[in-house]
Amino acid sequence: NAGVTQTPKFRVLKTGQSMTLLCAQDMNHEYMYWYRQDPGMGLRLIHYSVGEGTTAKGEVPDGYNVSRLKKQNFLLGLESAAPSQTSVYFCASTIQGVRTYEQYFGPGTRLTVT
Amino acid sequence: TQLLEQSPQFLSIQEGENLTVYCNSSSVFSSLQWYRQEPGEGPVLLVTVVTGGEVKKLKRLTFQFGDARKDSSLHITAAQTGDTGLYLCAGARWNYGQNFVFGPGTRLSVLP
Repeated sequence: NAGVTQTPKFRVLKTGQSMTLLCAQDMNHEYMYWYRQDPGMGLRLIHYSVGEGTTAKGEVPDGYNVSRLKKQNFLLGLESAAPSQTSVYFCASTIQGVRTYEQYFGPGTRLTVT
Repeated sequence: TQLLEQSPQFLSIQEGENLTVYCNSSSVFSSLQWYRQEPGEGPVLLVTVVTGGEVKKLKRLTFQFGDARKDSSLHITAAQTGDTGLYLCAGARWNYGQNFVFGPGTRLSVLP
């Protein structure tokens, strides 16, 4: 049982390049989330999904796209990377129907855009 | 605008001291979670509080949810160096899209 995994762990991009971050969970969770973490700002929600085939915008969605084609995977795409997207990205999942709404986080992807 | 505020932002104390950190909002949440994050890792859930006025204890850590479900506190008794980390509170906004909002965190350093 691996929980939530993220690939890659580190990446350096040049401005204008594209990339996809992969999040996978093996807990059969309905809900999945993508956050970015910047110093002094906690975690900010980028996009999230409440089930396979559905996605929704979070607090800071501009410049990102997501897809949830399979229940266990949630992909975050950057079509044209900008230096402002330098951050640590975390994926999380939670299970539907449990009132405690506990989130399980992946280890993060550290992205630098030069 | 931060929906959840945390204070203090930084805290440095000696081992054995007690401390309290706060998480405040003007919004009501379905529940509130506290996480601890170590450098280079993802946040790890410590506790969830659901009912207004609820108090939960986890060894030397005591968590309280405000009566109006807008604020929370985390009290650590006799802090240890292993308590060092970033403490994050997160509010569940389950009636507004099944998502969460995080506070900016309190960075705690416990010195030997």
